[in-house]
Amino acid sequence: GAGVSQSPRYKVTKRGQDVTLRCDPISSHATLYWYQQALGQGPEFLTYFNYEAQPDKSGLPSDRFSAERPEGSISTLTIQRTEQRDSAMYRCASSLCLGTDTQYFGPGTRLTVL
Amino acid sequence: QKEVEQDPGPLSVPEGAIVSLNCTYSNSAFQYFMWYRQYSRKGPELLMYTYSSGNKEDGRFTAQVDKSSKYISLFIRDSQPSDSATYLCAMSAPAGTALIFGKGTTLSVSS
Repeated sequence: GAGVSQSPRYKVTKRGQDVTLRCDPISSHATLYWYQQALGQGPEFLTYFNYEAQPDKSGLPSDRFSAERPEGSISTLTIQRTEQRDSAMYRCASSLCLGTDTQYFGPGTRLTVL
Repeated sequence: QKEVEQDPGPLSVPEGAIVSLNCTYSNSAFQYFMWYRQYSRKGPELLMYTYSSGNKEDGRFTAQVDKSSKYISLFIRDSQPSDSATYLCAMSAPAGTALIFGKGTTLSVSS
């Protein structure tokens, strides 16, 4: 596609529910990143994929967070048993390959946990 | 102490002013330094990229990296109202891995 797309753009859920966020990277981009951005803060790294491999999960805040990229293109980020502190903007970025400098960011999914 | 520190501002300047934005960092392994611009309700977009120490100029924008002081700067000359945005510094150790961002500085340029 022309750019990184994410869906849904907005998600409101009740505490305790599971949510799944989707990222569609720029086509042919091998590397995909997930970040969490709280209001008034810079994005914070969660995890990344190189094709379907997930070399680094160190930023995932708890085992309630998981991500997949089974075919090396579209990725999902799932948060189980959501808590109010999970409310944030979740941003996806992609880059052509590991080692290149430019990460292109998507518009984000605004998650609100009530 | 966070790995990357950035004054969130807000910073308000008149059109035509020179703007200086700065970040400090603590991790000496950082080699790649970037400035992203983020307009309201949009994702960050890469503005400038610098490897290691030195200066880089692109039009009205100049990025400087001083690794000995662990200090990076972005200068905007002849600032325009369209420059009003949040500016985020970001850095990484090996290129292509996780970016560590500052909080962002909100800039407002008035006409």
